[in-house]
Amino acid sequence: AQKVTQAQTEISVVEKEDVTLDCVYETRDTTYYLFWYKQPPSGELVFLIRRNSFDEQNEISGRYSWNFQKSTSSFNFTITASQVVDSAVYFCALSEWKTSYDKVIFGPGTSLSVIP
Amino acid sequence: SQTIHQWPATLVQPVGSPLSLECTVEGTSNPNLYWYRQAAGRGLQLLFYSVGIGQISSEVPQNLSASRPQDRQFILSSKKLLLSDSGFYLCAWSRLITEQFFGPGTRLTVL
Repeated sequence: AQKVTQAQTEISVVEKEDVTLDCVYETRDTTYYLFWYKQPPSGELVFLIRRNSFDEQNEISGRYSWNFQKSTSSFNFTITASQVVDSAVYFCALSEWKTSYDKVIFGPGTSLSVIP
Repeated sequence: SQTIHQWPATLVQPVGSPLSLECTVEGTSNPNLYWYRQAAGRGLQLLFYSVGIGQISSEVPQNLSASRPQDRQFILSSKKLLLSDSGFYLCAWSRLITEQFFGPGTRLTVL
């Protein structure tokens, strides 16, 4: 069965520290997609990144970087030099192909607090 | 560009009253549409998804129903609300095999 685990329920860091959010997934599919979403206090989920199972290249976008390792079924997210605006709940998600739609399985989320 | 709207933003309803939440998408055609519920402090639960007009599938049995009367309109309804229906309701859309984009959500409190 497909599953996404985010073992860190809550993390607190001081501003400017680096922080890594862990994500471990389980799937039997050979083709799948992984995502990260950010949910600020306003509630709306904001899409951050999509990765497909055939592309293990790490990606960097500004202060954000993602490390995808199929060997350990992990898709970790690092924020460098954290800022207060990074405070949010972050969800890792896995997409499987099911009939005619793409079902996305979300992890339980990690609540990040960046303290000024 | 595509945008997704939800209304109302917040709603307080008594137990046993009806419910209608609306979601509309602009800037795309024939999207997949989704309703999720997020209970306080918890993850996302997929309630319904739709791949076309009039095509609704339910992920979990519950007190709610969904309809898609138009290509870019998705409605979540209930005839009689329960206390357990309280939560944050999110609508999302996607194209096939792509990321889902979420609306601003509706915060529902059932008293």
